[in-house]
Amino acid sequence: GAVVSQHPSWVICKSGTSVKIECRSLDFQATTMFWYRQFPKQSLMLMATSNEGSKATYEQGVEKDKFLINHASLTLSTLTVTSAHPEDSSFYICSATEPPERRRYNEQFFGPGTRLTVL
Amino acid sequence: EDQVTQSPEALRLQEGESSSLNCSYTVSGLRGLFWYRQDPGKGPEFLFTLYSAGEEKEKERLKATLTKKESFLHITAPKPEDSATYLCAVYRGSEKLVFGKGTKLTVNP
Repeated sequence: GAVVSQHPSWVICKSGTSVKIECRSLDFQATTMFWYRQFPKQSLMLMATSNEGSKATYEQGVEKDKFLINHASLTLSTLTVTSAHPEDSSFYICSATEPPERRRYNEQFFGPGTRLTVL
Repeated sequence: EDQVTQSPEALRLQEGESSSLNCSYTVSGLRGLFWYRQDPGKGPEFLFTLYSAGEEKEKERLKATLTKKESFLHITAPKPEDSATYLCAVYRGSEKLVFGKGTKLTVNP
């Protein structure tokens, strides 16, 4: 299957600083990427949908000025958590879909996740 | 509002003890139900997609089935390496998925 990577795999930062997380599709061009957040023992919650070359679409309740998403190319999307606070500590996971002509089951391929801890 | 409920929250099995995980859903116009496996500290790994009631898919010791209201993930003769959290998600259009909270499966040797 298609491979998605994330960097870094974990990050610890001080409150008030900004953190950037990268999501890359390694062997395919991803027209759409998704950013999720997962708290312990909770389901994956979709934060935003990112399309290459256009503004991200944020889910209700997600602050777009706090979680900046940039999808600069067909293989790279970045999530920047601005002015991070302890309540932003979570597991952030990205996913990507292949172009429609390559899809078999409309599945999303997930990255390994980034553990963010804000002190 | 689309909802996905998985049960049980946690399940402990002995190696070789078959069982089933449940995923019930409410969605207007199902356009796909997905099963993923998630290991601790990792992203979800795709297992199956089901599209219509009556459909079944198999992979090794796993078999997924779908009705109009729920899906089951049957695990036959599980092994310790099957231990993971199994996530169910429904496709709600615009390529978006709605996930359940998952069932944490532990298979003891």
